[in-house]
Amino acid sequence: GAVVSQHPSWVICKSGTSVKIECRSLDFQATTMFWYRQFPKQSLMLMATSNEGSKATYEQGVEKDKFLINHASLTLSTLTVTSAHPEDSSFYICSARSTGATNEKLFFGSGTQLSVL
Amino acid sequence: GNSVTQMEGPVTLSEEAFLTINCTYTATGYPSLFWYVQYPGEGLQLLLKATKADDKGSNKGFEATYRKETTSFHLEKGSVQVSDSAVYFCALSPTLSGTYKYIFGTGTRLKVLA
Repeated sequence: GAVVSQHPSWVICKSGTSVKIECRSLDFQATTMFWYRQFPKQSLMLMATSNEGSKATYEQGVEKDKFLINHASLTLSTLTVTSAHPEDSSFYICSARSTGATNEKLFFGSGTQLSVL
Repeated sequence: GNSVTQMEGPVTLSEEAFLTINCTYTATGYPSLFWYVQYPGEGLQLLLKATKADDKGSNKGFEATYRKETTSFHLEKGSVQVSDSAVYFCALSPTLSGTYKYIFGTGTRLKVLA
């Protein structure tokens, strides 16, 4: 089946630094990718929708200048957490929708656990 | 607004035990409902789905029935195996066309002991 590779799987960084998370679709072209965040004991929450070649659409309450999303190709989207702070520590997961897929044909990465010290 | 509530885990069962993971939802209209499973070190994978009331989704021995009257989509399996140990997410997708904005529950970790 289709595979989405997310890297890194975990990262620890100092407060004030930036962290980049990559999401790649390995065997299909993804016109749309989604970025989710999950705090402990809470639901996976959609942060933003990323469309190849255009600006991402952010959900209400998500700071677009803090969470930079780039979807420059049909197989790669990146999420950069800029000037990370401890409150940004969370589990981040991406998903990708293949071209022409129906609503339920989403493929997920394995997630990135971010810890900001 | 739309939301999904699922039972907190972890759920620990012995092999061959019966499994139920409760999931209830709040939504306007008629959403599609899903169960996703995440095995250790892997991404979420679609386990089963139901797109309308009274539909039953099933896969790998797991079943869930879309109950509109109780706004529920409980996951069941008659006899769990150690290999079923994973995190299970209930999710809904709103009925608006062209949207893929899933609403997820918190996930329920299942541990099956040999």
